[in-house]
Amino acid sequence: NAGVTQTPKFQVLKTGQSMTLQCAQDMNHNSMYWYRQDPGMGLRLIYYSASEGTTDKGEVPNGYNVSRLNKREFSLRLESAAPSQTSVYFCASSGHSGGAETQYFGPGTRLLVL
Amino acid sequence: RKEVEQDPGPFNVPEGATVAFNCTYSNSASQSFFWYRQDCRKEPKLLMSVYSSGNEDGRFTAQLNRASQYISLLIRDSKLSDSATYLCVVNKVTGGFKTIFGAGTRLFVKA
Repeated sequence: NAGVTQTPKFQVLKTGQSMTLQCAQDMNHNSMYWYRQDPGMGLRLIYYSASEGTTDKGEVPNGYNVSRLNKREFSLRLESAAPSQTSVYFCASSGHSGGAETQYFGPGTRLLVL
Repeated sequence: RKEVEQDPGPFNVPEGATVAFNCTYSNSASQSFFWYRQDCRKEPKLLMSVYSSGNEDGRFTAQLNRASQYISLLIRDSKLSDSATYLCVVNKVTGGFKTIFGAGTRLFVKA
């Protein structure tokens, strides 16, 4: 049981390049999320998907797109990377545990945009 | 004002000390509460849920005060391995389900 997996672990992009961050979970969770984490800012929600076939904007969606490919996979795409998108990106999925919706995180992708 | 606020830290304590973290939340419709732990350059991991009656897991005790909208985490007999950032997390359902993360409190336990 791998939990939540993310690829790649590290990536360096030049301004204007595009890339897709991949995320998959094997816990049969309906909900999945993409966050970015910057120093002193905490986790900020970019997009989330409450179920297969649906996606919604979070707190900081500009510059990103997402695809919920199936129940397991939720990808995040940067169409034209900017230095402001340098960050650590975490994918998460959530399920009910002990009567509450609990999130489980992947190991993160460290992205540097030059 | 942030929806979830935590002590800014960092907390520097010797091994064996007792340390307490506080967290306040602004939305009274918040329904469930958690403490997560995040090690340097790693993902956040669930430490424990927080229940109204208070709950304990070994050296860790979490408490919730709904009237004051306040959550706490107490760590007794601190170990070097407790050094991490502790995130206060709140779920609310008003206006749609939402999970809100505090910015975290950094703990350093010294030998």
